[in-house]
Amino acid sequence: EPEVTQTPSHQVTQMGQEVILRCVPISNHLYFYWYRQILGQKVEFLVSFYNNEISEKSEIFDDQFSVERPDGSNFTLKIRSTKLEDSAMYFCASSVDRASSTGELFFGEGSRLTVL
Amino acid sequence: GENVEQHPSTLSVQEGDSAVIKCTYSDSASNYFPWYKQELGKGPQLIIDIRSNVGEKKDQRIAVTLNKTAKHFSLHITETQPEDSAVYFCAAILSGSARQLTFGSGTQLTVLP
Repeated sequence: EPEVTQTPSHQVTQMGQEVILRCVPISNHLYFYWYRQILGQKVEFLVSFYNNEISEKSEIFDDQFSVERPDGSNFTLKIRSTKLEDSAMYFCASSVDRASSTGELFFGEGSRLTVL
Repeated sequence: GENVEQHPSTLSVQEGDSAVIKCTYSDSASNYFPWYKQELGKGPQLIIDIRSNVGEKKDQRIAVTLNKTAKHFSLHITETQPEDSAVYFCAAILSGSARQLTFGSGTQLTVLP
């Protein structure tokens, strides 16, 4: 069964460092998303991406965050200068179509980011 | 924006009993309501969903009901098994928006053998 894969599974970084989280969405999917989950809290939307541009972003997704689809398979989330409060599990997701119409979101297993 | 409230935060049931988790949403324009199961160390997995033109949907031991007037929807798991133990999240999505799911705060379900 096709799945969304994420790397790394866990990354520890120092405050102020740049971090790149990588995702390989399911191959025929057109919409890509990043969500995050701070320990013990709900899953929160960060950004959605379609046709090589951001479709929608939340207030969490400030100038420190960026997304990119550098090639035909990868979808990355970059945090420019990490803060302690960026420590969370980051989930990538993809869907064939917009989730509000027919497209189920498929989530990866997450990348745990720990900022020291 | 949309706001989703979920109750209870924890739920323990005996194996074989039923479990019910309830969610309310704020935006009457929301039209898609998925439920996700998250096992420890894994990403959320869709287990069932319902759209606003349907009042109830069932898939084996899992059912979801939707009351659009009251703006609430519920997950029902019958004949619970230990492998049902996980965190369950409800979510809602606003019609026409670019696909941001708004999640509830999650319910830790424990099925006791």
